[in-house]
Amino acid sequence: GAGVSQTPSNKVTEKGKYVELRCDPISGHTALYWYRQSLGQGPEFLIYFQGTGAADDSGLPNDRFFAVRPEGSVSTLKIQRTERGDSAVYLCASSLGLGSPLHFGNGTRLTVT
Amino acid sequence: AQSVTQLDSQVPVFEEAPVELRCNYSSSVSVYLFWYVQYPNQGLQLLLKYLSGSTLVKGINGFEAEFNKSQTSFHLRKPSVHISDTAEYFCAVSDPAGYSTLTFGKGTMLLVSP
Repeated sequence: GAGVSQTPSNKVTEKGKYVELRCDPISGHTALYWYRQSLGQGPEFLIYFQGTGAADDSGLPNDRFFAVRPEGSVSTLKIQRTERGDSAVYLCASSLGLGSPLHFGNGTRLTVT
Repeated sequence: AQSVTQLDSQVPVFEEAPVELRCNYSSSVSVYLFWYVQYPNQGLQLLLKYLSGSTLVKGINGFEAEFNKSQTSFHLRKPSVHISDTAEYFCAVSDPAGYSTLTFGKGTMLLVSP
């Protein structure tokens, strides 16, 4: 079966531009998570969805970051007015729900020039 | 708040030698503990987890870890490493309410040479 799929695998954008990063979770997984991994650091939690709703968005750094999951499956992480400090690998994970292990995608490497 | 400390950013070791990757955590409540491995250009893969019960947990690829509550540690060990074990290893903690907000350490790069 397919794992968590993230597209694109690499994204280069100019400072100030808008970007969207997509995550296709494992079929049937109700929980979906976004993490950000900066160079030399461990992944940092951004947001967690249970179904269509954001159950915990406490990790989003500021209001330039937003994520949606309108049908409870695919999720999109949206970043407005990108800054060079947003450059990182954005990881998506899914699970069957609370208490179940997370399955991570390969990530999207975002570079803001 | 929870935090994880991985003191070693890099651990070089020869093939077939034993290895220990250190992890210490800080939390005001009981925790779940995890080790993840990340191979180059790949996503994180769960190696093993401690939820409750026996403090010695065995994972995939011959790795094991021991939970020590008094020392707030969860060190990862393997008695004999292979070249293919070269990867970044992350220790993580979450509260027992769920896995939703894993807190990761900065990672330890295991470099296995012949």
